[in-house]
Amino acid sequence: AQSVTQLDSQVPVFEEAPVELRCNYSSSVSVYLFWYVQYPNQGLQLLLKYLSGSTLVKGINGFEAEFNKSQTSFHLRKPSVHISDTAEYFCAVSPSNTGFQKLVFGTGTRLLVSP
Amino acid sequence: EAQVTQNPRYLITVTGKKLTVTCSQNMNHEYMSWYRQDPGLGLRQIYYSMNVEVTDKGDVPEGYKVSRKEKRNFPLILESPSPNQTSLYFCASSFGTAGTEAFFGQGTRLTVV
Repeated sequence: AQSVTQLDSQVPVFEEAPVELRCNYSSSVSVYLFWYVQYPNQGLQLLLKYLSGSTLVKGINGFEAEFNKSQTSFHLRKPSVHISDTAEYFCAVSPSNTGFQKLVFGTGTRLLVSP
Repeated sequence: EAQVTQNPRYLITVTGKKLTVTCSQNMNHEYMSWYRQDPGLGLRQIYYSMNVEVTDKGDVPEGYKVSRKEKRNFPLILESPSPNQTSLYFCASSFGTAGTEAFFGQGTRLTVV
């Protein structure tokens, strides 16, 4: 079984400051890793994903994440946030050996960007 | 436009009154699933379907039913809703392989009183 831990339920930050949202996972098999974003009153949309290859993954809206296998982490970063980045961010994993999608989500981190 | 459409967006109902939340996708995806989102718990999978007439339980299936008679539609049925099913529900679809992107509907906020 897989589990995902997002250590921070809420992260307040000022506009143009850098931000890091933390994600750790546990799995007995290899997994694919995802970050999804949920803007207010909307469904989730994919920010970025790691399947294989370079451990630094770039996504939409200037976000990037780094896969660290030894620490079982997949932290999300942005060097300079905007007010419009205010949203809830979900880290998710899917085992890579099942052949089909089985997303397991973390509890989410609410990013609050203020002027 | 590629999308997953859920209806209704908001629903208030009484305990025991059967309801159906519809979900439709226009991307010809094989895989569809239902999640519920609760504060502090994230998203948990209720049911999923790998293709027409193929459905299976997710992590929290109790109190729910689904059907997949057509590829594009995957309704969620609550035969006898209870207050603990008050939640935000999301339908999602994808091509189904482990590394593919899931596309989500806008959500249905259900309140059972």
